[in-house]
Amino acid sequence: DIQMTQSPSSLSASVGDRVTITCQASQDISNYLNWYQQKPGKAPKLLIYDASNLETGVPSRFSGGGSGTDFTFTISSLQPEDIATYYCQQYDNLLSFTFGPGTKVDIK
Amino acid sequence: EVQLVQSGAEVKKPGATVKISCEVSGYPLTDYYLHWVQQAPGKGLEWMGLVDPEDGEPMYAEKFLGRVTIVADTSTDTAYMDLSSLRSEDTAVYYCATSPKIHPVFDHWGQGTLVTVSS
Repeated sequence: DIQMTQSPSSLSASVGDRVTITCQASQDISNYLNWYQQKPGKAPKLLIYDASNLETGVPSRFSGGGSGTDFTFTISSLQPEDIATYYCQQYDNLLSFTFGPGTKVDIK
Repeated sequence: EVQLVQSGAEVKKPGATVKISCEVSGYPLTDYYLHWVQQAPGKGLEWMGLVDPEDGEPMYAEKFLGRVTIVADTSTDTAYMDLSSLRSEDTAVYYCATSPKIHPVFDHWGQGTLVTVSS
């Protein structure tokens, strides 16, 4: 099974800061990597698909990159409404899906 | 508008089985896979498995093999997830979610169902 790691597990930043989260896969997953935002008590929401594509309606301050085993997720200018936990998620050709452990983002 | 509406909260005793439903509206279910995701209190997301509503074929995560059953009823556009031999560690919110068959992203989610396992 493919394992996913994320770092950091949590971070605190100021409004307007650039925030970057990394996600690493235990083997090459090409660009089969998505990013989700989950606010407390809510279902997750898709932000980025196929590593770098912004889902329709998602603000452009969110972006993603990477391929193979190493991926990044960036918020270019942190806003108060971005307080949430962010998860990466991989899928493979055998229809197996794995989430990363999550990164909790807070305002300093 | 696409909507996934799940059944209500459940309280079960250890060893029992819970059945949760997920009714999908807004698009033909047969164009999508229907997934279930577990989230224990304060923990991350764990994919449990999926069903292809077109042929009923399921796929389960290794962790839940033997205890989970996922089915879909295309006549009512409703999917069901049974989790058996419940233990306290199964206390969690369970989400259903859809992914287009041509593009496996979880694009729509249910509101979540809290299952509490307690004696």
